[in-house]
Amino acid sequence: GIQVEQSPPDLILQEGANSTLRCNFSDSVNNLQWFHQNPWGQLINLFYIPSGTKQNGRLSATTVATERYSLLYISSSQTTDSGVYFCAVGRSTGGFKTIFGAGTRLFVKA
Amino acid sequence: KAGVTQTPRYLIKTRGQQVTLSCSPISGHRSVSWYQQTPGQGLQFLFEYFSETQRNKGNFPGRFSGRQFSNSRSEMNVSTLELGDSALYLCASSPRERTSGGYNEQFFGPGTRLTVL
Repeated sequence: GIQVEQSPPDLILQEGANSTLRCNFSDSVNNLQWFHQNPWGQLINLFYIPSGTKQNGRLSATTVATERYSLLYISSSQTTDSGVYFCAVGRSTGGFKTIFGAGTRLFVKA
Repeated sequence: KAGVTQTPRYLIKTRGQQVTLSCSPISGHRSVSWYQQTPGQGLQFLFEYFSETQRNKGNFPGRFSGRQFSNSRSEMNVSTLELGDSALYLCASSPRERTSGGYNEQFFGPGTRLTVL
């Protein structure tokens, strides 16, 4: 099956700093999403980005499907950005199966 | 539109019991997927239902089952509960209609936190 690796596993930032989170996947996919999980467990959609580049405020993401990786950029980080960021990939061939990475745990210090 | 809803939010059961969790997808979404999240194994795919049919299944024992109704609401059942079944169970809905932009995009509910004693 598809393997998903996220790096770094943990990240500590000072408020205002920028960061890049990476997601590598082992096979071709036609579905890729980035999520932020808040302390109560809710997965919040950040980007649906099987390919290309998208931006939403201080966050942006790029997926290079041919090279099997995606990047999530966080600029001018805030304490509210703290939490776990997940990359999830899948192929919708017949059924629909999504594989999650292990996540990047981000802590932003005031 | 209302988001994905899951009931109950919290549940405590004892070993050997069975449990049924419910998920109501976003209106118009026809696909419902279930996931288990534990500290040791992370987020793992359980199964996906589309138009009342199970379309895909993860690597879980047969004690884990599910179904989907004609209104797209879904239930999952775990029989003969074990301590290791303690987890956050998440449900996600997706349009799965190719006429919809981002038709594979999944939207998650708040989860059901199951504790098995």
